[in-house]
Amino acid sequence: DAKTTQPNSMESNEEEPVHLPCNHSTISGTDYIHWYRQLPSQGPEYVIHGLTSNVNNRMASLAIAEDRKSSTLILHRATLRDAAVYYCILSTTSGTYKYIFGTGTRLKVLA
Amino acid sequence: KAGVTQTPRYLIKTRGQQVTLSCSPISGHRSVSWYQQTPGQGLQFLFEYFSETQRNKGNFPGRFSGRQFSNSRSEMNVSTLELGDSALYLCASSLLAGYNEQFFGPGTRLTVL
Repeated sequence: DAKTTQPNSMESNEEEPVHLPCNHSTISGTDYIHWYRQLPSQGPEYVIHGLTSNVNNRMASLAIAEDRKSSTLILHRATLRDAAVYYCILSTTSGTYKYIFGTGTRLKVLA
Repeated sequence: KAGVTQTPRYLIKTRGQQVTLSCSPISGHRSVSWYQQTPGQGLQFLFEYFSETQRNKGNFPGRFSGRQFSNSRSEMNVSTLELGDSALYLCASSLLAGYNEQFFGPGTRLTVL
């Protein structure tokens, strides 16, 4: 089954861009890439998702490699409120799994 | 619009007991998914319901079951509780099944003694 690999933690300075990487080398052609984040003591919150093309929304941008084996979540200007665990997720119809969560990257934003 | 609500928020049970958790999705949402979150295993998908039918199931034993009612509310049940079932159980709703944005509730913290 396809899975994702993310760095355990990253740090960023406030007001600077943040690039959060995700590796999904075994992704299949119909798997979507989703990003969610989880603030302390809360359920995960949707950030963005995509299939093949790069995607932008008001929260972030998602850059997907041409071979789709990796992707990068881009926060254009990190704020203290962006400190959270960021999950890169594949939604797959193969096997019996629906959503496969990575281990997540804990983002620390420094003031 | 009210968000996803889960009841109860906290629960303490003993080994061997069973437990039922409830999830009310956002109004109009027809898909409900359940997840288990533990420090060791992270977030793991349990199952998804859409229009009262289970569409997908994760890799959990049969002690974990669920159902969805005609008003889209969902319940999950865990029978014969084990210490390892202690976790945060999260419910998420979305408009439709499939690759849609999911809205998560705050979770139910289950402790098994």
